[in-house]
Amino acid sequence: EAGVVQSPRYKIIEKKQPVAFWCNPISGHNTLYWYRQNLGQGPELLIRYENEEAVDDSQLPKDRFSAERLKGVDSTLKIQPAELGDSAVYLCASSLGTRRPQAFFGQGTRLTVV
Amino acid sequence: TQLLEQSPQFLSIQEGENLTVYCNSSSVFSSLQWYRQEPGEGPVLLVTVVTGGEVKKLKRLTFQFGDARKDSSLHITAAQPGDTGLYLCAGFSNSGYALNFGKGTSLLVTP
Repeated sequence: EAGVVQSPRYKIIEKKQPVAFWCNPISGHNTLYWYRQNLGQGPELLIRYENEEAVDDSQLPKDRFSAERLKGVDSTLKIQPAELGDSAVYLCASSLGTRRPQAFFGQGTRLTVV
Repeated sequence: TQLLEQSPQFLSIQEGENLTVYCNSSSVFSSLQWYRQEPGEGPVLLVTVVTGGEVKKLKRLTFQFGDARKDSSLHITAAQPGDTGLYLCAGFSNSGYALNFGKGTSLLVTP
């Protein structure tokens, strides 16, 4: 069974440019998470989807970040415009929509803003 | 957001030594999970603890959930270089759906 797939693995952009990350969750997983992880730190939740509905986006900087999950499967996370402080690894995870689920993570996208 | 504090932040030991890392909070969690993350990879679930006082073993790793469900510990016996990685604890909110992580303990085991 394929795991969570993210692309690209690496992205280098200049500040003020837009960037988008893509995530394909495990088939059948209705819950999808986007996390941001700074070097040597734990992941910080940006947004959680239940199917196509964003049920927790309180930590998403909405002035520059946006996300969508069309048809409740794949998801994209966009930053526009990017700032130097956005450099981090962006992780996508998915799980079955049960209580205390096991979250399966992708390898992440390492973003460097220069 | 319920905060999880992990200690120590960094740990460097030699192969064969024992170690314990801690995950603490002032909040009660319905359950806690421990993940290990290797460089360039996403976190991988090691264990979920649900009941206060629960102890779970995974080979040389022993996980304990505090009686009050506010803290947890991970003990590694006879550490191996393959144990090197970032150990993360994560707690579920009372709803049981939102997963929040601590900052992690970075473990280095040298031969």
